Amino acid sequence: GQNIDQPTEMTATEGAIVQINCTYQTSGFNGLFWYQQHAGEAPTFLSYNVLDGLEEKGRFSSFLSRSKGYSYLLLKELQMKDSASYLCAGMDSNYQLIWGAGTKLIIKP
Amino acid sequence: DADVTQTPRNRITKTGKRIMLECSQTKGHDRMYWYRQDPGLGLRLIYYSFDVKDINKGEISDGYSVSRQAQAKFSLSLESAIPNQTALYFCATSDRDRDTGELFFGEGSRLTVL
Repeated sequence: GQNIDQPTEMTATEGAIVQINCTYQTSGFNGLFWYQQHAGEAPTFLSYNVLDGLEEKGRFSSFLSRSKGYSYLLLKELQMKDSASYLCAGMDSNYQLIWGAGTKLIIKP
Repeated sequence: DADVTQTPRNRITKTGKRIMLECSQTKGHDRMYWYRQDPGLGLRLIYYSFDVKDINKGEISDGYSVSRQAQAKFSLSLESAIPNQTALYFCATSDRDRDTGELFFGEGSRLTVL
């Protein structure tokens, strides 16, 4: 079956770095997405990886290892506004997204 | 104004009632989707449409129907609502010409079925 696993909740300190891991099993693979969702709001796109390696975009970076079925989202210089849920989603061979339940990130001063 | 607009944003209804959630978009995208989100679960796809004449079931289509009235409009109907359809519903769009398949979400419609 298809499955996305990510931690339910993480806590980090303002100004620090946090890594949110995601493992995936999909029928075929056409990329790995990360979205950010603030409480009560819509998800917004953060990153897309289809090749192995690290993609950096400002304070956020996303890494993919296709052989390990593994990705992580790295957030640097954490700010209070980064408190949100982070959703990992794998795209299968039919270009359908399989979503994880999300990781709730709590930032403490 | 939001590029993807959902109405209503909040709705409380009773078991057995018919409910329609509407979605309209100004992004000019061909592809539209309806998802539901429940606490502790990932987003689950209900229906999707790649153009006006194309309608496809997602993983949880039972109890739902959709209509693609125009490129910009995609509505979701619950013919006879039941309490386990209480959820947050999202409409989303994507551009078929973008390699990433990035989704653009509406603000969500919170439905409570009593």
